Amino acid sequence: GIQVEQSPPDLILQEGANSTLRCNFSDSVNNLQWFHQNPWGQLINLFYIPSGTKQNGRLSATTVATERYSLLYISSSQTTDSGVYFCAVGNNDMRFGAGTRLTVKP
Amino acid sequence: ETGVTQSPTHLIKTRGQQVTLRCSSQSGHNTVSWYQQALGQGPQFIFQYYREEENGRGNFPPRFSGLQFPNYSSELNVNALELDDSALYLCASSSKLSTYEQYFGPGTRLTVT
Repeated sequence: GIQVEQSPPDLILQEGANSTLRCNFSDSVNNLQWFHQNPWGQLINLFYIPSGTKQNGRLSATTVATERYSLLYISSSQTTDSGVYFCAVGNNDMRFGAGTRLTVKP
Repeated sequence: ETGVTQSPTHLIKTRGQQVTLRCSSQSGHNTVSWYQQALGQGPQFIFQYYREEENGRGNFPPRFSGLQFPNYSSELNVNALELDDSALYLCASSSKLSTYEQYFGPGTRLTVT
């Protein structure tokens, strides 16, 4: 099956800093999504981005499908950005990475 | 537009019992997928239902089974519960008529004692 690797596993930032999260995957896919999981377990859709670049406010994402990686950029981080960020890839079945746990300190 | 809903929110069961979890898909979505998320890990794909038929299955034993109804809602049934079945169970809906983008419900937290 498809392998998904996320890095770094943990990230601690001061409020206002920028960060880049990476997702590497082992095979071509029709679907790639980035999620933020809140403390109650809800997965919040950030981006549906099987290829190309998208931006939504302080967040942006880029997927280079031919090289099988995706990047999530968070600019001017806020404490509310804290949580676990997951990359998921696949076709019918989505394979999740182990996540990046982001802590933003005031 | 109604999002994905799941019930119950929390559930405590005893080893060996059976459990049924429920999911209502987002309006306009015809596909439902179920995932198991153990503590500290990423969600793992259990199976997907499309037009009331199983449309893909992950590495889970047959005691994990499901149903999809004509209104696209779905059930996940787990028989002979084991302690390792304790997890957050997530349901996601999508539409095969558009993109593969999946939208998740809030989850059911199952504890097996």
